[in-house]
Amino acid sequence: GAVVSQHPSWVICKSGTSVKIECRSLDFQATTMFWYRQFPKQSLMLMATSNEGSKATYEQGVEKDKFLINHASLTLSTLTVTSAHPEDSSFYICSARDFKENYGYTFGSGTRLTVV
Amino acid sequence: AQSVTQPDIHITVSEGASLELRCNYSYGATPYLFWYVQSPGQGLQLLLKYFSGDTLVQGIKGFEAEFKRSQSSFNLRKPSVHWSDAAEYFCAVGGVRGQKVTFGIGTKLQVIP
Repeated sequence: GAVVSQHPSWVICKSGTSVKIECRSLDFQATTMFWYRQFPKQSLMLMATSNEGSKATYEQGVEKDKFLINHASLTLSTLTVTSAHPEDSSFYICSARDFKENYGYTFGSGTRLTVV
Repeated sequence: AQSVTQPDIHITVSEGASLELRCNYSYGATPYLFWYVQSPGQGLQLLLKYFSGDTLVQGIKGFEAEFKRSQSSFNLRKPSVHWSDAAEYFCAVGGVRGQKVTFGIGTKLQVIP
């Protein structure tokens, strides 16, 4: 079945630094990938839709200059948290859709970001 | 706007007992519906999905769900729960033609001996 690899699985960084999270579709091509953020004991909130070769579409309230998304190839999307602050600490998850799987979305294993 | 309601935030069942997790949705057209499971600190795994056809859907790990249009529901069931089923379960709607998926708040399942 479709596999999405997300890296790193956890990262700790200092306030003011930037962190890059990678999301790769391993055995299928994904023209669209999605980035979610999950706060403790809450559901997943869609942050943005990443489109290969074009600009990402951000959900209302998500700062596009804060959360930079690049989808340079059909198998890789990256999320960069710029000038991270403690309130950016969260669990970030990406997903992609393999059209051969008929509308099922495959999720990465997530990245636990802690900003200190 | 599409939305998902999972009325039970936390459920506790005994191992071997049956399980039903409730999910109600709001969607402007025929919905595409999903159930995902998340173990602590992990990503999400698709249990099953519905997009057309038979309203009773079979998934992995012995789970099934039934789509009831009249009740706008897509409840998840398992006849006999195992301790390894303890996790958080998310119902989701949407995804038609690549549109976004909206998740419910999740139901945390605890399994006791």
